[in-house]
Amino acid sequence: GQQVMQIPQYQHVQEGEDFTTYCNSSTTLSNIQWYKQRPGGHPVFLIQLVKSGEVKKQKRLTFQFGEAKKNSSLHITATQTTDVGTYFCAGRTSQTGANNLFFGTGTRLTVIP
Amino acid sequence: DAGVIQSPRHEVTEMGQEVTLRCKPISGHDYLFWYRQTMMRGLELLIYFNNNVPIDDSGMPEDRFSAKMPNASFSTLKIQPSEPRDSAVYFCASSLSYGYTFGSGTRLTVV
Repeated sequence: GQQVMQIPQYQHVQEGEDFTTYCNSSTTLSNIQWYKQRPGGHPVFLIQLVKSGEVKKQKRLTFQFGEAKKNSSLHITATQTTDVGTYFCAGRTSQTGANNLFFGTGTRLTVIP
Repeated sequence: DAGVIQSPRHEVTEMGQEVTLRCKPISGHDYLFWYRQTMMRGLELLIYFNNNVPIDDSGMPEDRFSAKMPNASFSTLKIQPSEPRDSAVYFCASSLSYGYTFGSGTRLTVV
């Protein structure tokens, strides 16, 4: 079945350090989305990537979609305490239906002030 | 826009009792999703609707779970009878194009 794995599962960084989480799919994705969930909160949509090799930036966040459309990454430059939370990737394939996402296992980021 | 509204925020119930979780999607969104989140299993899709019609309920764990969407502005997820292993945070999400908007969730504890 469809699987979307993320590594690492947990990451502790000192404030100001960079952070990267990686997302890998067992099948080719038509697009991939990223969500952030603050502790005790709900997932919040960040961005969607559609094209092979696509790179998008949101301030200190850089999102990449692999050339083969089976992997993606989220990189945060100079982390801040507000970046704390769990980051999920979520992929969609052409077989999963018009609007069905498979969520990754998530990477929980802790930022030490 | 009030976003996706879920109720109750917290529910504590005894094993064997019926539990009903409620969701009001964003007006105009034609997709509605129910997810369950636990530490062990992460975010699991239970069921989703398109234009009030259930499209895929393969994630519903057992016959004890049922979901309805009688109109475009309301959906329920019912567990009957509830069991301790159903304890989790249940999220409702709605969507129009691609990004999902999640509600604040219902934290269910079955004792």
